[in-house]
Amino acid sequence: DVKVTQSSRYLVKRTGEKVFLECVQDMDHENMFWYRQDPGLGLRLIYFSYDVKMKEKGDIPEGYSVSREKKERFSLILESASTNQTSMYLCASTIIRGNTEAFFGQGTRLTVV
Amino acid sequence: TQLLEQSPQFLSIQEGENLTVYCNSSSVFSSLQWYRQEPGEGPVLLVTVVTGGEVKKLKRLTFQFGDARKDSSLHITAAQPGDTGLYLCAGPAGTASKLTFGTGTRLQVTL
Repeated sequence: DVKVTQSSRYLVKRTGEKVFLECVQDMDHENMFWYRQDPGLGLRLIYFSYDVKMKEKGDIPEGYSVSREKKERFSLILESASTNQTSMYLCASTIIRGNTEAFFGQGTRLTVV
Repeated sequence: TQLLEQSPQFLSIQEGENLTVYCNSSSVFSSLQWYRQEPGEGPVLLVTVVTGGEVKKLKRLTFQFGDARKDSSLHITAAQPGDTGLYLCAGPAGTASKLTFGTGTRLQVTL
């Protein structure tokens, strides 16, 4: 069974903290994505990576960075957490280019206080 | 950014009713996907449509891709409580299989 695993289901952090969200996939997929999900806004792409050490900004990259040192792992970093980053964060992976299915993790609900 | 607008945003219906959810864009997509997300889980793919005018059926769900490949619809016949969830359309944007998602339709089916 294919699997995308996010390190935490729930996370509470303080304003100004550096926050790491981890995502691991076991499908040998080339592409990995980080989205945030807010009511009424659907899923908005933060960053994606199409290869190890390769990354591209999505639609809302401000305040975030990413790291992909190994093919199976894609990390989202909040450099200095702010309350407006309170959200559901979803990691996904797909095989190389084409009309392919995205496999999602279960999500991390982050609250910044 | 290729925007995908979904309507309605919310839908609350009773078991047995029919409904249609729409996904519209001003841009042409090479394909569109539909996902369903249940509470506490990530979205799961339902279907991919790739040809303009294509119709696909998945039990009581019928998906249609517009002739101009700018829009898609999802029709559910005789809705059941198990259909409750968030329905999202998605399409490739730019290179490297970058997927852009719609704004979502939250469906609640009650007994």
